[in-house]
Amino acid sequence: QKEVEQNSGPLSVPEGAIASLNCTYSDRVSQSFFWYRQYSGKSPELIMSIYSNGDKEDGRFTAQLNKASQYVSLLIRDSQPSDSATYLCAVRGMDSSYKLIFGSGTRLLVRP
Amino acid sequence: DGGITQSPKYLFRKEGQNVTLSCEQNLNHDAMYWYRQDPGQGLRLIYYSQIVNDFQKGDIAEGYSVSREKKESFPLTVTSAQKNPTAFYLCASNRDPGGPQHFGDGTRLSIL
Repeated sequence: QKEVEQNSGPLSVPEGAIASLNCTYSDRVSQSFFWYRQYSGKSPELIMSIYSNGDKEDGRFTAQLNKASQYVSLLIRDSQPSDSATYLCAVRGMDSSYKLIFGSGTRLLVRP
Repeated sequence: DGGITQSPKYLFRKEGQNVTLSCEQNLNHDAMYWYRQDPGQGLRLIYYSQIVNDFQKGDIAEGYSVSREKKESFPLTVTSAQKNPTAFYLCASNRDPGGPQHFGDGTRLSIL
């Protein structure tokens, strides 16, 4: 079982819709969770950080964390064609290192 | 502006040659990381350093070497022992162990 799993997609949504991206992780004691956006040929860009159960909102983005079920999700409201990218989920465990474990990413396509 | 600078943007390696990728940050971050990304895949950790003059192997360290002589700099050498070096190499850093990592623009390495 992969440590951090994401559906590779592509997830296709029409412009203005809500895009829902999901991520599951295997380390039950993971504490820090991050969503990155990566445009084709570019480096990852941090969108959201979440550390406790529940929802965290930032503009059109909402991160949701459920530690009991070991999943974290990212909702993008009012999706725009410029949101078309690969979204990477990253998880940090409880060990003393600074390491993040990345999922393979979900490709999102927003149709005009 | 503070940030992470990677150079060069593109690099070509001849067979049997060692090449060095540069990573410099002016964010005063203690921890720095090197990742490799292959097409359609997530990020895999090569090496990381939590403090000057100390570094640890990541998940795919074979064929690579690093040094951390200054807080600002964490160069990666891809040695001739790395038989499949073609990939997108990303350098990252963070200040807090539980916090997000921030990435440079990456170096794309190819074999001649």
